[in-house]
Amino acid sequence: DAKTTQPPSMDCAEGRAANLPCNHSTISGNEYVYWYRQIHSQGPQYIIHGLKNNETNEMASLIITEDRKSSTLILPHATLRDTAVYYCIVSSGNQFYFGTGTSLTVIP
Amino acid sequence: SAVISQKPSRDICQRGTSLTIQCQVDSQVTMMFWYRQQPGQSLTLIATANQGSEATYESGFVIDKFPISRPNLTFSTLTVSNMSPEDSSIYLCSVEEFAQGQDEQFFGPGTRLTVL
Repeated sequence: DAKTTQPPSMDCAEGRAANLPCNHSTISGNEYVYWYRQIHSQGPQYIIHGLKNNETNEMASLIITEDRKSSTLILPHATLRDTAVYYCIVSSGNQFYFGTGTSLTVIP
Repeated sequence: SAVISQKPSRDICQRGTSLTIQCQVDSQVTMMFWYRQQPGQSLTLIATANQGSEATYESGFVIDKFPISRPNLTFSTLTVSNMSPEDSSIYLCSVEEFAQGQDEQFFGPGTRLTVL
């Protein structure tokens, strides 16, 4: 079963930062936090993952709280192409249990 | 990252029939996974398919309904048997690949199935 909770939907103005929260209060010490997104009619796309340190790559930044019970995905300059459903997943291995995700709409 | 293709990309089938979905990867991978995404819903893991062993099914999914083959390290099939309209979904395969110091999953484009 999914161990994450996310708001069902969010809006963000184009060019602004999109901050997507995720709660995972029952995360275990060996579980990573993964973020994927799914653009309509496509397979999920990997964005970023982390264990306890904040992470940044060319797509996004991941901020994990010190107690690891929540995290935030940051898209620094949202574009219209970032409109998608964003999934936060915690996993210690290879089974991924998807929650309901956050539907992000980037508004012109 | 692994490049994954699925066939067919979509199909419309009659109830009571069966459909076999193929998943092809451009590199050898140990772990492959099959997911179902019902209309308007999130992804649900059906089973894990390792080469050379029986697939491991998640709760609520059984081999008789969703038989899986994994003949080699680059290919897998999922059959949806004795279909009903409730089986109308997108079926996705994914593979696990070791990248950036951690196992990551990469997903195929999905197979959109409509059962009449």
